[in-house]
Amino acid sequence: NAGVTQTPKFQVLKTGQSMTLQCAQDMNHNSMYWYRQDPGMGLRLIYYSASEGTTDKGEVPNGYNVSRLNKREFSLRLESAAPSQTSVYFCASSEDRGDINEKLFFGSGTQLSVL
Amino acid sequence: AQSVTQPDIHITVSEGASLELRCNYSYGATPYLFWYVQSPGQGLQLLLKYFSGDTLVQGIKGFEAEFKRSQSSFNLRKPSVHWSDAAEYFCAVGALINYGGSQGNLIFGKGTKLSVKP
Repeated sequence: NAGVTQTPKFQVLKTGQSMTLQCAQDMNHNSMYWYRQDPGMGLRLIYYSASEGTTDKGEVPNGYNVSRLNKREFSLRLESAAPSQTSVYFCASSEDRGDINEKLFFGSGTQLSVL
Repeated sequence: AQSVTQPDIHITVSEGASLELRCNYSYGATPYLFWYVQSPGQGLQLLLKYFSGDTLVQGIKGFEAEFKRSQSSFNLRKPSVHWSDAAEYFCAVGALINYGGSQGNLIFGKGTKLSVKP
């Protein structure tokens, strides 16, 4: 009964370092999403993948890349981390992005600090 | 432009008291509206959603919300708050958004943090 699993839960990086956040879902969902959550800002969409093999930019994509490795996995990469990327990152999935009334299932988040 | 406003950043209520969290939205078409809850250290969980029909929507954990088109509001209510309800609550609207050729999904408000006094 795992749902959406994110790794790692915590990470500290130095400015300029790279890293990949991993996300996997076991619900056979077609769509997956990456959000960042900053205090007083709510959640903002970074990238999403409507289906396996497709990815699209969201509201705040600069400084990030994504890969939809297969139907289960959707990774987020920071090529050269910056302090402005200090945030809590959430992965989410939904059954089908074809309708905007989709319920999202969220992972428990990755707390990232960039020094 | 589409937006969601949650006017209250932080609310404190006593256990057993009633609760109302405010949400106002701006969206040109008929909105799809959601309330999510985030417990400390956890991801978001859907409480309830409104698409059409009855404007009073029942959700999990004893929550309900009322859609008022004339006021562009979707306020969340609970008659009697429990200590376990302490969390952050996010209102969201489902919207077709063009991010330079892309389309998004949900626009979230900035959240209201609920504290519960014993």
